[in-house]
Amino acid sequence: SAVISQKPSRDICQRGTSLTIQCQVDSQVTMMFWYRQQPGQSLTLIATANQGSEATYESGFVIDKFPISRPNLTFSTLTVSNMSPEDSSIYLCSVALPAGPIGEQYFGPGTRLTVT
Amino acid sequence: AQKITQTQPGMFVQEKEAVTLDCTYDTSDPSYGLFWYKQPSSGEMIFLIYQGSYDQQNATEGRYSLNFQKARKSANLVISASQLGDSAMYFCAMREGVGAGGSYIPTFGRGTSLIVHP
Repeated sequence: SAVISQKPSRDICQRGTSLTIQCQVDSQVTMMFWYRQQPGQSLTLIATANQGSEATYESGFVIDKFPISRPNLTFSTLTVSNMSPEDSSIYLCSVALPAGPIGEQYFGPGTRLTVT
Repeated sequence: AQKITQTQPGMFVQEKEAVTLDCTYDTSDPSYGLFWYKQPSSGEMIFLIYQGSYDQQNATEGRYSLNFQKARKSANLVISASQLGDSAMYFCAMREGVGAGGSYIPTFGRGTSLIVHP
């Protein structure tokens, strides 16, 4: 299994500002995933972050709005830039162990973001 | 087309009874994994149970079991002896191989809200 921590756990931010969310894993993992969960909705994948390469973004998400860093195999950050109230969501990071389709997937506790 | 379908937006069950939450999936990849997660009101995603496409036996974890019917492409979650603390959203998810160099992107269903009555 994997133990994942996220910081901050929650935040209230003003529109137009940016917030960086940190994700720390207790073991080395190849792939990390960032999800957004808007109120009352399911999880939507924002991007896949591999160490040493650019993140791969899903349709509807762009690097300028959600820049991601992956400096090593245990850490990643997601920045929500130039925030608007529509960005109010829970943001979750996730890892797959082992990498590939056959393997369990674990989530961090989430960051609950409210944009006013 | 939806890759993961959860047709029950809400379910109710009496405490101590069993409940089945439905999940069907769509994939042409022979290699995939199926997951169930519980999300209480706190927002965290709690991993419950996992089934690999090549697993011969249905997965079980304590009071949770996964009724895996590969030919029907269904992966229903069965919760036995429901407890009040089981009240939460439940999500079915799948990760599939997408070929050489694929990213194994996971996808989630819309979720089922389970309420356990005393």
